[in-house]
Amino acid sequence: EMQLVESGGGLVQPGGSLRLSCAASGFTFSTYYMTWVRQAPGKGLEWVANINQDGSGKYYVGSVKGRFTISRDNAKNSLYLQVNSLRVEDTAVYYCARELPRFDLWGRGTLVTVSS
Amino acid sequence: EIVLTQSPGTLSLSPGERATLSCRASQSVSSNYLGWLQQKPGQAPRLIIYGASSRATDIPDRFSGSGSGTDFTLTISRLEPEDFAVYYCQQYGSSKAFGGGTKVEIK
Repeated sequence: EMQLVESGGGLVQPGGSLRLSCAASGFTFSTYYMTWVRQAPGKGLEWVANINQDGSGKYYVGSVKGRFTISRDNAKNSLYLQVNSLRVEDTAVYYCARELPRFDLWGRGTLVTVSS
Repeated sequence: EIVLTQSPGTLSLSPGERATLSCRASQSVSSNYLGWLQQKPGQAPRLIIYGASSRATDIPDRFSGSGSGTDFTLTISRLEPEDFAVYYCQQYGSSKAFGGGTKVEIK
């Protein structure tokens, strides 16, 4: 069964950092673009960042550039999002998804809460 | 940057009725890169339509997508109880964007 499982979320103070992880299974992870999408409480979906198959190409939404870093480890079938300098407005559920380019497989998400 | 506007914000219908959801783009979108997602409370989004009109795996044929250019439509021919959810359109080309969502609720 193809699956994505996120982890690493939690409560953090403004200015803090977290490393989100996404573990992939059931498909050849190294052959796909991967992406992060977030959803603030009660709000819609927002694309955050994506990365190409070998990690040489990374793209970000403007609001996170310079603060968030996407990466991957194909040997570990894992995707990461390092989130630094967190703001209250970064509070959201963070989902990883597989890009075909359509987003056809999603994880269940991990909640990041930024609050003092 | 492409902006996707969905309407209506909320659609109140009864099971068995037809649902028609609209997604309008601020500039032309390649049909190859327009999709629709379904999200139920507490769950991850689920792809239901891609390429404007192709159903994703295991999606029943009561769901259909149409449109081109700047105007796209998702139609649910006869609402089943499990179809009441929020639906998002998405552009997934070189730039990526989501619409604000349409909530389909039970009348």
